[in-house]
Amino acid sequence: QVQLQESGPGLVKPSETLSLTCTVSGYSISSGYFWAWIRQPPGKGLEWIGTISHSGTTYYNPSVKSRVTISLDTSKNHFSLKMNSVTAADTAVYFCARMVDWIMGEFDLWGQGTLATVSS
Amino acid sequence: QSVLTQPPSVSGAPGQRVTISCTGSSSNIGAGYGVHWYRQLPGTAPKLLIYGYSNRPSGVPDRFSGSKSGTSASLAITGLQAEDEADYFCQSYDNSLSGSVFGGGTKLTVL
Repeated sequence: QVQLQESGPGLVKPSETLSLTCTVSGYSISSGYFWAWIRQPPGKGLEWIGTISHSGTTYYNPSVKSRVTISLDTSKNHFSLKMNSVTAADTAVYFCARMVDWIMGEFDLWGQGTLATVSS
Repeated sequence: QSVLTQPPSVSGAPGQRVTISCTGSSSNIGAGYGVHWYRQLPGTAPKLLIYGYSNRPSGVPDRFSGSKSGTSASLAITGLQAEDEADYFCQSYDNSLSGSVFGGGTKLTVL
């Protein structure tokens, strides 16, 4: 079955860049669907960060758009998130997810999530 | 402040029926975009519960149902069970933000 798994450093210093990778198994990310990053600060709700299509088109939340880049690496079957100039407010559990359709679609599969803490 | 508004908490006794509302606007739910519901158990990732207003993925029992009216949507859970205690989130698309939006989440307590 299709599975998603996040990976990346758990601790990032303020003003530096947070880099996370989502490795997909059981499905080729270049074949279809959309691939997304969502985060959840401790004890709070979910926030959509951005989405990339299987062909590489990206969509970002306006609240983080200036600091975020999402990219695909089809050779490794993973997609990545880079967020620069991080602050303590970016401390959260980061989830990667598969999105069925960009506008009408739901997030039908999720990774287990990875905690990224911004602290010196 | 979430674009979609949910009650912070709801509760019910085992066997009862509860509903969770998700209130949006003309730029999201009211515009006809799909509304989807997720359940999140503590320390785990959200799991898709309802998609496209009222459709259940394989494996989700028919105790869970969704509906939409105007600029709002609702999730209903009948025959409440202890294992239903979790956080529930709604999600849609917003054309003024040009992206996905979530509700703030509702904590369901089974008394």
